Amino acid sequence: DTGVSQDPRHKITKRGQNVTFRCDPISEHNRLYWYRQTLGQGPEFLTYFQNEAQLEKSRLLSDRFSAERPKGSFSTLEIQRTEQGDSAMYLCASSLAVGGINEKLFFGSGTQLSVL
Amino acid sequence: DQQVKQNSPSLSVQEGRISILNCDYTNSMFDYFLWYKKYPAEGPTFLISISSIKDKNEDGRFTVFLNKSAKHLSLHIVPSQPGDSAVYFCAAELSNDYKLSFGAGTTVTVRA
Repeated sequence: DTGVSQDPRHKITKRGQNVTFRCDPISEHNRLYWYRQTLGQGPEFLTYFQNEAQLEKSRLLSDRFSAERPKGSFSTLEIQRTEQGDSAMYLCASSLAVGGINEKLFFGSGTQLSVL
Repeated sequence: DQQVKQNSPSLSVQEGRISILNCDYTNSMFDYFLWYKKYPAEGPTFLISISSIKDKNEDGRFTVFLNKSAKHLSLHIVPSQPGDSAVYFCAAELSNDYKLSFGAGTTVTVRA
């Protein structure tokens, strides 16, 4: 168990550019989540996958954002035409959901995005 | 809308003393509550949780208390240690739901 890993750790980009982040969850986990955290705030839910199916997207996730989880393994989060308001820490988390039991989320270290 | 609130952005406590962190929520349907701890440059890590059918859960130096009628929970750390210096997030969820609602966090500093 190597934990949840995210790449890159930091990304600096110019406004209008596209960026893509990658998340590798804990291997046996079937759920994968993306959260966003801005300074002074707690993480905010963006979207989640059950295996390869994306089951919900928050209204925070505009049309410029797209997430995928091909084959139910790693996930990517792409932001097109970045804006300065997209600057934040993007956190990935995974969990093993078994029935209706509340499961704890394991978070990665995040990708810090700065849009200039 | 902020459904989980941590109204104290920071807390300073002397080593060996008790740290008490507070959290309020507005959604009475929440039935599971968690505390996460976050060090700089790392993701949040799970600390302790409590189901709404309980009013107390203890794990070593950490105890979480839940007051459903007041929609309030607290985390007690006794005794506080320098390694406890971190940001603590309160989170809540609905059973069979898949997403957590987080508070804004409380930064704890334990003074030697």
